[in-house]
Amino acid sequence: DVKVTQSSRYLVKRTGEKVFLECVQDMDHENMFWYRQDPGLGLRLIYFSYDVKMKEKGDIPEGYSVSREKKERFSLILESASTNQTSMYLCASSLEGAAYGYTFGSGTRLTVV
Amino acid sequence: GDSVTQMEGPVTLSEEAFLTINCTYTATGYPSLFWYVQYPGEGLQLLLKATKADDKGSNKGFEATYRKETTSFHLEKGSVQVSDSAVYFCALSKGGGGSNYKLTFGKGTLLTVNP
Repeated sequence: DVKVTQSSRYLVKRTGEKVFLECVQDMDHENMFWYRQDPGLGLRLIYFSYDVKMKEKGDIPEGYSVSREKKERFSLILESASTNQTSMYLCASSLEGAAYGYTFGSGTRLTVV
Repeated sequence: GDSVTQMEGPVTLSEEAFLTINCTYTATGYPSLFWYVQYPGEGLQLLLKATKADDKGSNKGFEATYRKETTSFHLEKGSVQVSDSAVYFCALSKGGGGSNYKLTFGKGTLLTVNP
């Protein structure tokens, strides 16, 4: 069964900490994505990558960066965590092509205190 | 730009009731259309999809038909179960390479089915 694995389901961090959220897929997908999900706001795209070492900003990249050194791994980095980054973070991957859709991970619920 | 509008929730139904969740889209060209479902505490799962006009996607008793003339992709199920309680997201994507493969999501509709 194909999978997107996010390293943590729940995470609590302090304000100002550097936070790494890891995502690994085993499907040899070209594209990978990071979203955050907040009540009333739906899913908002933070960053995405359509190839190794390639990245593009999504709709809300401020305060985040990403790294994709290997095809299967896409990391989201909060350089200095703030309380307004408390959210559910969802990673997804897809093949190249509009018809395939995404495969999502189970999500990481991050709380910044 | 592209956008997806789906009916505001929450939607509350009794078991065995008929379900419709409306979804309309704005996009140039010929997008692919999707419905995703998110059960409590989990990520999103692909429920069904349609890649061209008049296609019908179906899965687990859910159906949706790609209507280009009305730019709609409404989700329906004839008889809902308590286990269908979840958040449902409508989404679209377009071809063309690179960033065009991004999915554009609606805001989600919370469905609660009572026994």
